[in-house]
Amino acid sequence: GESVGLHLPTLSVQEGDNSIINCAYSNSASDYFIWYKQESGKGPQFIIDIRSNMDKRQGQRVTVLLNKTVKHLSLQIAATQPGDSAVYFCAENSGGSNYKLTFGKGTLLTVNP
Amino acid sequence: DADVTQTPRNRITKTGKRIMLECSQTKGHDRMYWYRQDPGLGLRLIYYSFDVKDINKGEISDGYSVSRQAQAKFSLSLESAIPNQTALYFCATSDQDGLRSYNEQFFGPGTRLTVL
Repeated sequence: GESVGLHLPTLSVQEGDNSIINCAYSNSASDYFIWYKQESGKGPQFIIDIRSNMDKRQGQRVTVLLNKTVKHLSLQIAATQPGDSAVYFCAENSGGSNYKLTFGKGTLLTVNP
Repeated sequence: DADVTQTPRNRITKTGKRIMLECSQTKGHDRMYWYRQDPGLGLRLIYYSFDVKDINKGEISDGYSVSRQAQAKFSLSLESAIPNQTALYFCATSDQDGLRSYNEQFFGPGTRLTVL
């Protein structure tokens, strides 16, 4: 079946370094993707999104890259800070116009001071 | 997100009991969702509703039911709770923008449910 998966379940980086979190998706019909951040004890929080007609989108300290050829999505965090420590989920719209999100299993990012 | 609230935040119950989890939102969104989160499995959609008269099953609806009492309220019920329904439950909302079909979902703080 269609699924969204992550290459690495955990990622540990030094404060100030750049972080890259990867996500593979298998539904070629997915047309919208979101990255969420979930801190311990909280609900997922929207970070950035991208539509399938784009290959890059930038936010504040974050960049999402979409490679539809290999069905790969990545989240880049610049100058990673301790407050960035959290679980990061990618999600794809697998429902077309019905807009249903399918979530990946998540990557735990740990930022070491 | 403070605009999406869930009650209770924590609940411990016994097998066979009926449980209702409630979600309220002040964002004015039409669309509401219930997810379940288990370690290592990410978020899975239980039910969703695109307006007050619309209810749809998600990928894991068995053992659950929902009620959309008003635009702002969407409740999830476990008619007869079982231990494998022990999980973290999230409610989410989203808007439908006429210019943009897709909008991010805003999540509540979650309800931790334990079924003994």
